[in-house]
Amino acid sequence: DIVMTQSPLSLPVTPGEPASISCRSTQSLLYSNGYKYLNWYLQKPGQSPQLLIYLGSTRASGVPDRFIGSGSGTDFTLEISRVEPEDVGVYYCMQTLQTPLTFGGGTKVEIK
Amino acid sequence: QMKLQESGPGLVEPSQTLSLTCVVTGDSISSADYSWSWFRQPPGKGLEWIGYIYSTGRTYYNSSLESRLTISIDTSRDRFSLRLSSLTAADTAVYYCARGVKTGTCYSCWFDSWGQGTLVSVSS
Repeated sequence: DIVMTQSPLSLPVTPGEPASISCRSTQSLLYSNGYKYLNWYLQKPGQSPQLLIYLGSTRASGVPDRFIGSGSGTDFTLEISRVEPEDVGVYYCMQTLQTPLTFGGGTKVEIK
Repeated sequence: QMKLQESGPGLVEPSQTLSLTCVVTGDSISSADYSWSWFRQPPGKGLEWIGYIYSTGRTYYNSSLESRLTISIDTSRDRFSLRLSSLTAADTAVYYCARGVKTGTCYSCWFDSWGQGTLVSVSS
């Protein structure tokens, strides 16, 4: 199984400041077609997960451009250029290269 | 706008079988562009993928649950279901259904729509 490791576990942020979350996989998520099968989700308090980024760097429909996904085959980053109060919640990375599909442990973003 | 809605019992006794259904509205479950997944999240913990099914009936299961798991689809009623047997307290979780986007040979490349989730407690 591909193991996904996120850091940090908790991230206190100041509104208007940038924030960054790291996600590392035990195998390359870069497929032969050039796509990286890495997604980012945000689970706001009391809600279902919502898709932010897919294929490593493509923003989902309606996602603000302050969310930026990047990365290589095994190391990925989600950046929030300027954190807004509504960005609080738990962020998860997820690989869909192979089954079983696996998630990182999550990063809790909260306002300082 | 498409929606997914889970339904099922909130409480199940240990050793029994859990049955959950996810009803899809606003889209056809027969679409060749999507697959249909189940996830779960124990209270206060992270997310776990359970398995998914394609409109043809082809399934992919998490190997950790495969021996107890059946996912089925009813394209005539735009719904899909989960059955998980031999329940223990470790199966207590919020269960989510979600739509997976298919592209190329990837049946579930990302999940763009999720149900609100249903809490299932395993207790006597």
